[in-house]
Amino acid sequence: GDQVEQSPSALSLHEGTGSALRCNFTTTMRAVQWFQQNSRGSLINLFYLASGTKENGRLKSTFNSKESYSTLHIRDAQLEDSGTYFCAANNNAGAKLTFGGGTRLTVRP
Amino acid sequence: ETAVFQTPNYHVTQVGNEVSFNCKQTLGHDTMYWYKQDSKKLLKIMFSYNNKQLIVNETVPRRFSPQSSDKAHLNLRIKSVEPEDSAVYLCASSWRGYYAEQFFGPGTRLTVL
Repeated sequence: GDQVEQSPSALSLHEGTGSALRCNFTTTMRAVQWFQQNSRGSLINLFYLASGTKENGRLKSTFNSKESYSTLHIRDAQLEDSGTYFCAANNNAGAKLTFGGGTRLTVRP
Repeated sequence: ETAVFQTPNYHVTQVGNEVSFNCKQTLGHDTMYWYKQDSKKLLKIMFSYNNKQLIVNETVPRRFSPQSSDKAHLNLRIKSVEPEDSAVYLCASSWRGYYAEQFFGPGTRLTVL
């Protein structure tokens, strides 16, 4: 079945630094979403992309359907960015989302 | 407030009992979903409904049954819960279509003793 491979599974950053998360897709995906799951367990929508790049504050995301990957860049990380980040994508067959395994981000002072 | 609402937040029960979870969305969407997040935080689709019609039914044990009264409500009933049903159940909604952003509720955490 469809798979979404997310990396890294865990990431530790110092405040003010940045990094990138990546999702690779085993099949052609039509759109991708990125979420942050906070300490209460709520999934917060960060980005929705059918193609190209979007930026929102310190976050930037890219989706390349042809090469089957998406990235989420975080710059100038803050303590409140800590949490688990998920990518999820839907394929040609329907609207259900297939989720990556998540990246647990810890931002340290 | 427009959002996806779930009740209860938590539920603790014993093996063999029946439980029901409620989900309501006020976003005006026509499609709703149930996802399960296990103890390793893996998220998987269970069901989706479009205008009260079942459109996705993944390989889910038969003790799980979704119930939709209208396009704004999608409940989940579990008959005779098992220990492996302990998880967080997340409800979501969107417009139907390939290019449709999904929005999630806060989840219901089920613990089966």
